Amino acid sequence: DQQVKQNSPSLSVQEGRISILNCDYTNSMFDYFLWYKKYPAEGPTFLISISSIKDKNEDGRFTVFLNKSAKHLSLHIVPSQPGDSAVYFCAASSYSGAGSYQLTFGKGTKLSVIP
Amino acid sequence: ETGVTQTPRHLVMGMTNKKSLKCEQHLGHNAMYWYKQSAKKPLELMFVYNFKEQTENNSVPSRFSPECPNSSHLFLHLHTLQPEDSALYLCAGSQDLQETQYFGPGTRLLVL
Repeated sequence: DQQVKQNSPSLSVQEGRISILNCDYTNSMFDYFLWYKKYPAEGPTFLISISSIKDKNEDGRFTVFLNKSAKHLSLHIVPSQPGDSAVYFCAASSYSGAGSYQLTFGKGTKLSVIP
Repeated sequence: ETGVTQTPRHLVMGMTNKKSLKCEQHLGHNAMYWYKQSAKKPLELMFVYNFKEQTENNSVPSRFSPECPNSSHLFLHLHTLQPEDSALYLCAGSQDLQETQYFGPGTRLLVL
């Protein structure tokens, strides 16, 4: 059973417009959420994160929103640029015991920004 | 550049072979991780090391054997793998267990 779901496998957006990537989770013990970006032939690159005590975190063109009651988070990219074309992974962190934390990943959403 | 390197980048091996994947981190991280990404599946955590001690083994088959000789190096020893083990194997490091993880480029493994 997937605890972190990215229901859209792909998304196409025109350059300059807003890209909105969505992520839903089921485990209420998750307390920290991250977005990673992955280009082909490279490992995931950390993009932005948010703690469960916040509902918004902004870093330049990237903003992550967290709705705890809906167990939903989203990543907004504005304005979208062709270089943003990549696969975006949502990840959630929870304490797994004995001082250890685990990251649970979604399957990813492939974003294509069209010039 | 995340400060985490992995070698080899690509590996093809037969089911009777023994090979090792290597991960090296240059950022003074205390925690290191092995993940597996199969096609159309989320990243799956395999092993976690904290200060060279293994803290997580996510029910990984014994044909995968990790080794962490020091805080900068992490190995994944492979033997008698199955074709379904073909995947992208990613190493990551973080300053501490709770901190953000930074990934290497991965090793694309094909088991024939």
